[in-house]
This record gives sequence, C-alpha cells and structure tokens, in this order.
Amino acid sequence: GAVVSQHPSWVICKSGTSVKIECRSLDFQATTMFWYRQFPKQSLMLMATSNEGSKATYEQGVEKDKFLINHASLTLSTLTVTSAHPEDSSFYICSAVLVGLGLTYEQYFGPGTRLTVT
Amino acid sequence: LAKTTQPISMDSYEGQEVNITCSHNNIATNDYITWYQQFPSQGPRFIIQGYKTKVTNEVASLFIPADRKSSTLSLPRVSLSDTAVYYCLVGPSNTNAGKSTFGDGTTLTVKP
Repeated sequence: GAVVSQHPSWVICKSGTSVKIECRSLDFQATTMFWYRQFPKQSLMLMATSNEGSKATYEQGVEKDKFLINHASLTLSTLTVTSAHPEDSSFYICSAVLVGLGLTYEQYFGPGTRLTVT
Repeated sequence: LAKTTQPISMDSYEGQEVNITCSHNNIATNDYITWYQQFPSQGPRFIIQGYKTKVTNEVASLFIPADRKSSTLSLPRVSLSDTAVYYCLVGPSNTNAGKSTFGDGTTLTVKP
C-alpha cells in the first residue's frame, strides 16, 4: 500500500528556535499534501494544504509566517515551525493524496512528529 | 464541508462484531465517506471508503443507506489490537480530500 513517512518522529527544541519537519510519499507522487496538528486527547486539525510548485493554503487562524510550508517536489513537503514556543508543542501529522485507478482519491497519513518545545 | 457525528466511545469484547455509526446529514452529492483508525501517537490509517450501498474489504465493511445521511463501519470479530479511535470523514474524493474535517472520533475499547 501507499506509504507516507515523516522525519523526525520526535524532536525537542528550545523556545525561540526553528524546527523543520519532512513529509515524504515513498511510493507515489502527490501533488497535494496536507498538514495537521493534534493536541492530546483531541482530533486532528487541518493547518494547511501544500501544493507542489505553488504557495500553501492556510486554514483560518494558522499563522503562515510561523508555519512555513514548502512543497518542493511531488514526493516531499516540509513544515518549518519558526520561533517555536511551548504552546507549539503538539503532534504534527502530514498526509498525501493518492490518485488511484478509476480516479479514486485516497488520503494516506504519515506516522506523525511529536514536537516538544522547552 | 459536511459535519459528522459519532458516538464518543464504545466497548466490545474480543470476537464480537462492532458497528460504529456516523451521522452526516449535510452530505453533498459529490462527497465520499471514509473511515480511518488511529492508535496513540500514530497517524490515522485508511480503513475503507464508499459512496453508496455497501463496500467490503479485507478488514471492514461499510454500509451506506440510500439517503446517505449516515454510514456504519462494521468490524468483524474484533481483537484487542482493534482498540483505537475511529474517525468518519465526509468530503470530496478529489485533491481536496484532505480538507475533510475530522470529527471527534469514536474511541473503541476491546476487552478480553
């Protein structure tokens, strides 16, 4: 089946520093990827839509200057949390859309990245 | 985007069939219904997707009535490892599939 990876799986950083999270579709090309954030015991919240070759589209309330998204190729999207603060500590999950036979669109998720800002 | 409503939690025992129902009264004509499973500290895993009637794969069945205002995920003979949160998503089956809103999900606890 389709596989999406994320790196790193967990990261601890100091307040004020920046952290980059990578999302890769390993066995398929994805023109569209999505970034979610999930706090403990809560559901996933969509942060932004990442489109290959164009600017990301951010959901309302998500600061685009703080969460920088780059979709440089059909298999890689990156999320950079700039000037991280403790309240940015969360579980970040990406997903990629696979266009299957018969034009079915299936969304596959990465394993997530646990970010802890101290 | 259609809002979904699921039971917050369900309990079951090993070997039983589990049915989780999701309500989506505002489903649009071009919306599909997709179910995901999520374990703690992992990304959601695709279970099944359907548009109408019944869909079956190697792990689950999805029942969708004619009015499509609800759907039921059926897990046959659950095991302890099926303890997880299950999400029902309703949204377009296109490149905007990821914009479907995650509801609160159903926490399924399978007991021995």
